[in-house]
Amino acid sequence: KAGVTQTPRYLIKTRGQQVTLSCSPISGHRSVSWYQQTPGQGLQFLFEYFSETQRNKGNFPGRFSGRQFSNSRSEMNVSTLELGDSALYLCASSFAGAAMWEQFFGPGTRLTVL
Amino acid sequence: SQQGEEDPQALSIQEGENATMNCSYKTSINNLQWYRQNSGRGLVHLILIRSNEREKHSGRLRVTLDTSKKSSSLLITASRAADTASYFCATVTGANNLFFGTGTRLTVIP
Repeated sequence: KAGVTQTPRYLIKTRGQQVTLSCSPISGHRSVSWYQQTPGQGLQFLFEYFSETQRNKGNFPGRFSGRQFSNSRSEMNVSTLELGDSALYLCASSFAGAAMWEQFFGPGTRLTVL
Repeated sequence: SQQGEEDPQALSIQEGENATMNCSYKTSINNLQWYRQNSGRGLVHLILIRSNEREKHSGRLRVTLDTSKKSSSLLITASRAADTASYFCATVTGANNLFFGTGTRLTVIP
């Protein structure tokens, strides 16, 4: 069974731009969660989607948004990029939800904002 | 903050020894999960322990949970060089959000 894939793996943007990251979950998984990892703040939960609906949301500004498609693939978007958005963005899929089911993580997208 | 805290921040042991990492948290939880991350790459889920469980095993891993002390521990027995990684606990609250701890960096010396 193919694992969670994330594209692109690396991305360089400048302040003020916007970016879209993509995540393809494991086949059959309906829940996709997104996380931001930085040296200073550690791992922080962004949001979780289940069956195309946002089910949970972390404490991030509205510049961070996401969506999930009918095939469970998910995208997250960050608008008006700031230097502090430089991070590793991780996507994870689970059968029915990160809270009670094992999550499988992708390799991440390394975003650098200049 | 609801974020858990792992202790110690870093741990260095010889191959074959046991490694123990602790996680403390502040609010009541539904369950607690342990993850491993190698060199800034994706995380791997290790164990999920529910709030009504006190101990769980998986291979060389043993996790305990003490909800009265709001703490959990991860024990890795007979460590191997391949166990070198960062280990994180994640608490799941009533709102089903996950809060990751700060991590313990484990180095196993061959």
